[in-house]
Order: sequence, then structure tokens, then C-alpha cells
Amino acid sequence: AQKITQTQPGMFVQEKEAVTLDCTYDTSDPSYGLFWYKQPSSGEMIFLIYQGSYDQQNATEGRYSLNFQKARKSANLVISASQLGDSAMYFCAMREGDNTDKLIFGTGTRLQVFP
Amino acid sequence: DAGVIQSPRHEVTEMGQEVTLRCKPISGHNSLFWYRQTMMRGLELLIYFNNNVPIDDSGMPEDRFSAKMPNASFSTLKIQPSEPRDSAVYFCASSWGRTGKNIQYFGAGTRLSVL
Repeated sequence: AQKITQTQPGMFVQEKEAVTLDCTYDTSDPSYGLFWYKQPSSGEMIFLIYQGSYDQQNATEGRYSLNFQKARKSANLVISASQLGDSAMYFCAMREGDNTDKLIFGTGTRLQVFP
Repeated sequence: DAGVIQSPRHEVTEMGQEVTLRCKPISGHNSLFWYRQTMMRGLELLIYFNNNVPIDDSGMPEDRFSAKMPNASFSTLKIQPSEPRDSAVYFCASSWGRTGKNIQYFGAGTRLSVL
């Protein structure tokens, strides 16, 4: 079974609109961390936001927020007020358990923002 | 502050040749990670070090791959002999601390082409 599933290969959004990128995960460990990274066409991986499994509130970082639904095992990324520069690949990743720093990545979602 | 520095940015070599990729982590970080990104397999962890000690090398594909971290500010990933299927983007990342909100910061990557 896939540990991290991103079901949307591609998404389109109009500038200034909000968009949600889906991520579901699979783990039986009660302690885990969820990460989102952005990969623009230039290729670098940029950290966006983190959610710990024990965090009571949904994480927010500027225009990025994480819709964390623990029972559903989903950690969707919400980007508000999309900008042209948000066009990129977005990867969801999970650190599973407390005894590892290993990140398992999903296959990514390509977001395109149009004017 | 300087981020994670990888060299070279691009490498083109012929099958059978030795390839060495280099990484300088962010100063003060105590964990270093090597990832490989391909279209077929996505982004996968090859190996990671904590305090210069290899912790998890389960992702290293085979004996042709080796990684070293002789000190806190330098790591190498070596492929000998290289094969066309090794063509990929190789990322190095570093982080501080263990588990929890342990954000990995990525370098710009090395694009390897094996002909």
C-alpha cells in the first residue's frame, strides 16, 4: 500500500483564487509528521509547512494552511490567493514514527496558476 | 545564510565511469540525507547520516552506490561503475535535531546523465 497518496496529477487555478491539494497517508504509528514541499521548474525543493500528528491545531504559514483530518488520514494543503509564482510541483511527505528521520514522498501534484 | 550546496549541478558521463557527487550541508545541521528523483520512482531516500554516522542506508540501490560523511561539513555519494539507469536528479538535504519538526532543507540537486 502507498504510504502517501496524492491523487491529483495536475490542478489548475485562477490567480487570486484558493486551491486545495489533496494528500492521504497510511500509517499505524501514532506519532508521525507531515510535510509539504514545493518544487518549481528550476528544480529545488522548498519546504512549505509541517503538521505533527499530536498538533491540536491545523498548521498555517502565510498563504499556506494544512487541513489536517486525522481520522480520515488526510493532510490537504490549502493555498489562498494563488499567485502566478505558485505554479510548481507540490509534494506531500511523511515521517513515520519517532525513531527515524526518513521522509516518504508522494508522487506530487502539478499546480498551474493562470491569470 | 548559505543553504545546502551541491556540486556539480550537472554531470554527464559514460557508462562504466565513476561518478562522485558532493554536498555541503547547512552549518550546524547534524543530519544529512541523499535522495534520488526519477520520473518512474519519484523522490526516494537513499541514505541518511546523523552526526556523520550512517543511520539508514536501506534505500541504496546496490553495491555500486556508496556514501560517506567524513566530517560535519561534507558528504559524497559515489557511483562506481555508473549505468544509464542511474540517470536522475540527486538531492542532498540537511536538518537539525532528531525527529519531531525536523525540517529538511534541500540543495539545488545534481542532474546526472549516464550515456
